[in-house]
Amino acid sequence: GQSLEQPSEVTAVEGAIVQINCTYQTSGFYGLSWYQQHDGGAPTFLSYNALDGLEETGRFSSFLSRSDSYGYLLLQELQMKDSASYFCAVRDGGYNKLIFGAGTRLAVHP
Amino acid sequence: DAMVIQNPRYQVTQFGKPVTLSCSQTLNHNVMYWYQQKSSQAPKLLFHYYDKDFNNEADTPDNFQSRRPNTSFCFLDIRSPGLGDAAMYLCATSRPTDSTDTQYFGPGTRLTVL
Repeated sequence: GQSLEQPSEVTAVEGAIVQINCTYQTSGFYGLSWYQQHDGGAPTFLSYNALDGLEETGRFSSFLSRSDSYGYLLLQELQMKDSASYFCAVRDGGYNKLIFGAGTRLAVHP
Repeated sequence: DAMVIQNPRYQVTQFGKPVTLSCSQTLNHNVMYWYQQKSSQAPKLLFHYYDKDFNNEADTPDNFQSRRPNTSFCFLDIRSPGLGDAAMYLCATSRPTDSTDTQYFGPGTRLTVL
């Protein structure tokens, strides 16, 4: 079956850099996605990696190594508003059906 | 410019009293999903529609049903809510041709069962 592992919590200070890791086991791999969810809010799409390497979008970057079944989300110049839960996800075949990791709760402190 | 709309945002029901949650989308996406999310957990897929084709997850209780009368609307019916069904219910959409697997989520309906 499909499974994803990510740390449950990460703490950092404003202005710092934090990396949230995700390892996955899948029967077929299409790509690794990252979603952000603020408390009480909806998940929002952050990034997607189908190929090995780094994808950069502003302060956020995402990395994938398919040979290691591993990826990470890198958040730079942390701001208080980055405090949220971050989910990695992989497709479970079908029609863009996603399996989500348990989520990493990021707390950014002054 | 809301793209995925869920109503109501907060719903309170009584134990055993049927409740319906609604979702609409302006994206014209083929696929619509319903997720259940409990506190500090990942969204759990209940079922999804590809157009009118209904796909139920194997572990979704029979208590949960869904209807999709047209492309824009999708409903989640909970026939006899139990205390364990209190959760955030998220609707999402996607386009099968989207190479990034992006799902667009609505703001959710928080269900309280008394």
